[in-house]
Amino acid sequence: AQTVTQSQPEMSVQEAETVTLSCTYDTSESDYYLFWYKQPPSRQMILVIRQEAYKQQNATENRFSVNFQKAAKSFSLKISDSQLGDAAMYFCAYRSPQGGSEKLVFGKGMKLTVNP
Amino acid sequence: DVKVTQSSRYLVKRTGEKVFLECVQDMDHENMFWYRQDPGLGLRLIYFSYDVKMKEKGDIPEGYSVSREKKERFSLILESASTNQTSMYLCASSSRTSEQYFGPGTRLTVT
Repeated sequence: AQTVTQSQPEMSVQEAETVTLSCTYDTSESDYYLFWYKQPPSRQMILVIRQEAYKQQNATENRFSVNFQKAAKSFSLKISDSQLGDAAMYFCAYRSPQGGSEKLVFGKGMKLTVNP
Repeated sequence: DVKVTQSSRYLVKRTGEKVFLECVQDMDHENMFWYRQDPGLGLRLIYFSYDVKMKEKGDIPEGYSVSREKKERFSLILESASTNQTSMYLCASSSRTSEQYFGPGTRLTVT
């Protein structure tokens, strides 16, 4: 079974600085999807970024980018120019390829604090 | 925009009560999911459904059941609520190829 590990339960960053959230996973599959979700305090969980394992290029969405290291099974999220609105719980998630189960396997989450 | 709604944001029930949590999505998604979220444990899958009237157990199905009579609606049922079921419950939906879209959550307290 696949597992997802977020080893840092909490992190903090100064506004306008850059922070990297780590995530490792374990799988025997060669094709899969990886996600970072964000859950602001008392608000809905939303997708931050998505990476398909077959794509070598790292995904980027504005200030959010990933460092996907397939061989190392590592999927870190970099937030540039951190803003107060980035404060949230961040969850890394794994999904088997299309045609398999569409279930997500989540890490335990990491609380990011942004200091003004 | 995809919209996933849940019937209540906050719910307080007594031990032994039967509890219904409702989830509705408006994007014609095939898949629907129920999770519970607890501090330090992340999200754990309770049940999911990949089609009307179809369901599969997730990682922690004990004490729960589900119903999916219509494609847009997925209900979570606690047959006899217990205090250890106090938690945040999240519903999500997805198509076969999309990411999961989440509802706002229901914070259930069982006293």
